[in-house]
Amino acid sequence: EPEVTQTPSHQVTQMGQEVILRCVPISNHLYFYWYRQILGQKVEFLVSFYNNEISEKSEIFDDQFSVERPDGSNFTLKIRSTKLEDSAMYFCASSVLGREDGYTFGSGTRLTVV
Amino acid sequence: AQKITQTQPGMFVQEKEAVTLDCTYDTSDPSYGLFWYKQPSSGEMIFLIYQGSYDQQNATEGRYSLNFQKARKSANLVISASQLGDSAMYFCAMTSGYSTLTFGKGTMLLVSP
Repeated sequence: EPEVTQTPSHQVTQMGQEVILRCVPISNHLYFYWYRQILGQKVEFLVSFYNNEISEKSEIFDDQFSVERPDGSNFTLKIRSTKLEDSAMYFCASSVLGREDGYTFGSGTRLTVV
Repeated sequence: AQKITQTQPGMFVQEKEAVTLDCTYDTSDPSYGLFWYKQPSSGEMIFLIYQGSYDQQNATEGRYSLNFQKARKSANLVISASQLGDSAMYFCAMTSGYSTLTFGKGTMLLVSP
């Protein structure tokens, strides 16, 4: 069964450093998303991406965050200068049709900022 | 704006019994979708079941069924014949209108032998 692949599964970084989280969505999916889950809390929407541009973003997705689809397969989330409060599980998801469709999530990247 | 509420922080059930996890939602949009996801301790988010607002019948997927009561705005997940492997966090989520997937706070289910 097709799956969304995320790398790395766990990343530790120093405060102030830049990190790039990588995702390979399902090949025929058109909509891509990043969500995050701070330990013990609910899953929060960060950003959605369609047709090579951001279609929606939340308040959390400030200037420190950016997304990119550098080639036909990868979808990346960059955090420019990490803060302690960026420590969370980051999930990539993709879907065929968008809102009406089931979202397939990757297994997540656990980011720890020290 | 859309909202998902899960009022049960934790639920316990014995193996082989059925369990219902509660979810209520709120949206002003007549077209919406309701989802349940399972998150085991390993952390991944596993899609379980989907119910569309215009679906006439309750969704079922194997041991999972969604008790959709539109007038009450509830979308409870029923797991029949619980197994030890069902122990996990369960999230109710929805999309509506132009809003992307919004999650509830989740319910931790523990299945005992």
